Amino acid sequence: EDQVTQSPEALRLQEGESSSLNCSYTVSGLRGLFWYRQDPGKGPEFLFTLYSAGEEKEKERLKATLTKKESFLHITAPKPEDSATYLCAVQGNSGGSNYKLTFGKGTLLTVNP
Amino acid sequence: GAGVSQSPRYKVAKRGQDVALRCDPISGHVSLFWYQQALGQGPEFLTYFQNEAQLDKSGLPSDRFFAERPEGSVSTLKIQRTQQEDSAVYLCASSLATGKRNQPQHFGDGTRLSIL
Repeated sequence: EDQVTQSPEALRLQEGESSSLNCSYTVSGLRGLFWYRQDPGKGPEFLFTLYSAGEEKEKERLKATLTKKESFLHITAPKPEDSATYLCAVQGNSGGSNYKLTFGKGTLLTVNP
Repeated sequence: GAGVSQSPRYKVAKRGQDVALRCDPISGHVSLFWYQQALGQGPEFLTYFQNEAQLDKSGLPSDRFFAERPEGSVSTLKIQRTQQEDSAVYLCASSLATGKRNQPQHFGDGTRLSIL
């Protein structure tokens, strides 16, 4: 069974204070690791897909990296508008289902001005 | 372009009533998924369609839950004889066909279901 653990559960930063969110996973045959952003009352918004260890993706102040056991979402010089819950999800090959996403509980990020 | 559209956004029902939740996927997306999200938790998989075929319903909590996508576009999730534990946000997602390199799933804003 695929499992995803995200840490910390909540993170408070001052504007401009860089930090990282962690996503540890166990999966049978990783097909993809996905990062989403979720604002209150909204659905998850796709950010990145990572397919293999060593891969990195960047978008504005966000950078996602992947190893064989974990992924990091690095936030550089965050702004208040980066405040949201960040969700990590994996797709594996367990049980022949290579399509379902298994999510972590998310990290609630608050960036204070 | 238009994203995934879900309706209603909010639904309040009394215990024992039946409810129907609608999902309009992104045009051209072959794959459609339903997830359930409890407060403070990540979404959990319910069921998967490829076109009109329901290929996986392993995540449906009980036989009170039923999903369909008769013409391979709009999907409906129906819950019969609702119980309080059914209260959650129901999210629909769609993607281009799954394959060698899976495409990301794009989510709607969900239906928040409250059972009184």
